[in-house]
Amino acid sequence: DIQMTQSPSTLSASVGDRVTITCRASQSISSWLAWYQQKPGKAPKLLIYEASSLESGVPSRFSGSGSGTEFTLTISSLQPDDFASYYCQQYNSPTWTFGQGTRVEIK
Amino acid sequence: QLQLQESGPGLVKPSETLSLTCTVSGGSITSSTYYWGWIRQPPWKGLEWIGSIYYTGITYDNPSLKSRVTISVDTSKNQFSLKLNSVTAADTAVYYCAGQLGPGWFFDSWGQGTLVTVSS
Repeated sequence: DIQMTQSPSTLSASVGDRVTITCRASQSISSWLAWYQQKPGKAPKLLIYEASSLESGVPSRFSGSGSGTEFTLTISSLQPDDFASYYCQQYNSPTWTFGQGTRVEIK
Repeated sequence: QLQLQESGPGLVKPSETLSLTCTVSGGSITSSTYYWGWIRQPPWKGLEWIGSIYYTGITYDNPSLKSRVTISVDTSKNQFSLKLNSVTAADTAVYYCAGQLGPGWFFDSWGQGTLVTVSS
């Protein structure tokens, strides 16, 4: 099975900060990676698919990069609405896997 | 825009079978560009993929659930369902159904989630 490792687990940041979250796959997944945002009590929301494609309606301050085994989600200027948990997810195989999540909290 | 809604009992006894249904609206469950999946999230923990089904009945499930999972589809009702047998307290979670858009089959549409508690 492909394992996904996210870092950091928790990130403290201020409004306006540039934030980067990393996700590593245990084997190459090409660009078959998605990023989701989840707020408390809500379903996850798709932000990025195919590693770097921005889902329709998602603000352009969100961007994704990487391929193979290393991927990043970047928020260029953190906004109050962005304090949430973020998950990466691989879909290179028929056994989809999520990372353990990164909680972005107010510094 | 797809909409998905989970339904089923919120309380299941240990050793029994958890059964949930997801009703899809705003699109057809027989779309060739979608798989349909189940994901769960234990309280205060991360997301875990349970399994997925294509409208033809092709299924995949998470090996960590040790074959306790059965996923089925009812195209006449635009629904798909999850059964998880021999449940324990560790299966207590919010269960989400989701649409998976191809070709990468990422989860682009989600239900609101339903909390299932396993307790006697």
